[in-house]
Amino acid sequence: DARVTQTPRHKVTEMGQEVTMRCQPILGHNTVFWYRQTMMQGLELLAYFRNRAPLDDSGMPKDRFSAEMPDATLATLKIQPSEPRDSAVYFCASAHRGRGETQYFGPGTRLLVL
Amino acid sequence: QKEVEQNSGPLSVPEGAIASLNCTYSDRVSQSFFWYRQYSGKSPELIMSIYSNGDKEDGRFTAQLNKASQYVSLLIRDSQPSDSATYLCAVNLGDAGNMLTFGGGTRLMVKP
Repeated sequence: DARVTQTPRHKVTEMGQEVTMRCQPILGHNTVFWYRQTMMQGLELLAYFRNRAPLDDSGMPKDRFSAEMPDATLATLKIQPSEPRDSAVYFCASAHRGRGETQYFGPGTRLLVL
Repeated sequence: QKEVEQNSGPLSVPEGAIASLNCTYSDRVSQSFFWYRQYSGKSPELIMSIYSNGDKEDGRFTAQLNKASQYVSLLIRDSQPSDSATYLCAVNLGDAGNMLTFGGGTRLMVKP
């Protein structure tokens, strides 16, 4: 049963600390997305990669957020320093360009910054 | 103006009724349309995708697309309490590769 995995599932941290979230896309998928979901803003695209190259990160605050794909099986999203307004659920999704645009979502990382 | 619009609801229907969820989008060249269901505290899961004008049926679900009017809808027949969730409309706007723009979602409540 292929699925996107994310770690950690929950994270509570204090303002100013670094937060790293990890995502393992579905094997064979070449496109990875990072989303943030809040009650007020809904689901927002932060960044996405194709074949490990960043294609769009316009939705991401550049001063504190960074996203990378060290290899095809791992995507990371870092926040440094974290702020209370970063509290949200962060979803990773993957897709295969060439087999339609269907995105499959991971279970999410629920982040609370105190 | 948001690019993908949905009524936030809640939309309340009795069990066994048809639930009708609507979505409008701004970009005339959009080609791909998706409906995701999200239960509280869970991640979005794909229900339907539709690419051509008309209806597409899958079990109790029917997606309807009208590109001329720029709307896409989801009908749920014989609604069940387990259908109670937030339904997200997603559109591949223009030539955006795999990128999807999501609406704010419509919360559906099916009452026994």
